[in-house]
Amino acid sequence: GQNIDQPTEMTATEGAIVQINCTYQTSGFNGLFWYQQHAGEAPTFLSYNVLDGLEEKGRFSSFLSRSKGYSYLLLKELQMKDSASYLCAVRDRPGTYKYIFGTGTRLKVLA
Amino acid sequence: GAVVSQHPSWVICKSGTSVKIECRSLDFQATTMFWYRQFPKQSLMLMATSNEGSKATYEQGVEKDKFLINHASLTLSTLTVTSAHPEDSSFYICSARGTSGGNEQFFGPGTRLTVL
Repeated sequence: GQNIDQPTEMTATEGAIVQINCTYQTSGFNGLFWYQQHAGEAPTFLSYNVLDGLEEKGRFSSFLSRSKGYSYLLLKELQMKDSASYLCAVRDRPGTYKYIFGTGTRLKVLA
Repeated sequence: GAVVSQHPSWVICKSGTSVKIECRSLDFQATTMFWYRQFPKQSLMLMATSNEGSKATYEQGVEKDKFLINHASLTLSTLTVTSAHPEDSSFYICSARGTSGGNEQFFGPGTRLTVL
């Protein structure tokens, strides 16, 4: 079956660094995406990894290891506005552009 | 660029009525649109994939006669919840993939449906 796991909730302090993990077991793999979603709003795209390694984009970085079925999203210099859900999604085959979403991680940033 | 809108943003209806939700790509053409539902504090569940000019592909367990999808043009897809019941109350989100070949999907702001 298709399985994508993330921690349900995490709490961190403003200014700190937090790492949100995602492990996946899917029938195929054609890219992994991270989205941010504030409550009651649409998800917004953060990052895309298809090859192993680290992709850095400002305060956010995303890492992928295909052999381990593992990714993480790293958020640095946390701000209160980073309090949101973070969704990991895998595209399991090329051509369809269909995502399988993980359970999502609710991050709370405390002052 | 890459803006997706949904209408209405929220709707309350009586049990047994039908509700139509529109999803539009405002500044790009969308060859493929996706419809998701999301329950409180849960992740997005794909309901169906909609390609312009062809029948939608529904995920396992989603009733195609209950959730009618029409993708009439490259900028508009509609989801009609027929004979809605309280258990259909949910947050419905659409997303679109453009024709430029990019990898990500662009999401609409969602529609909150409450069935009384």
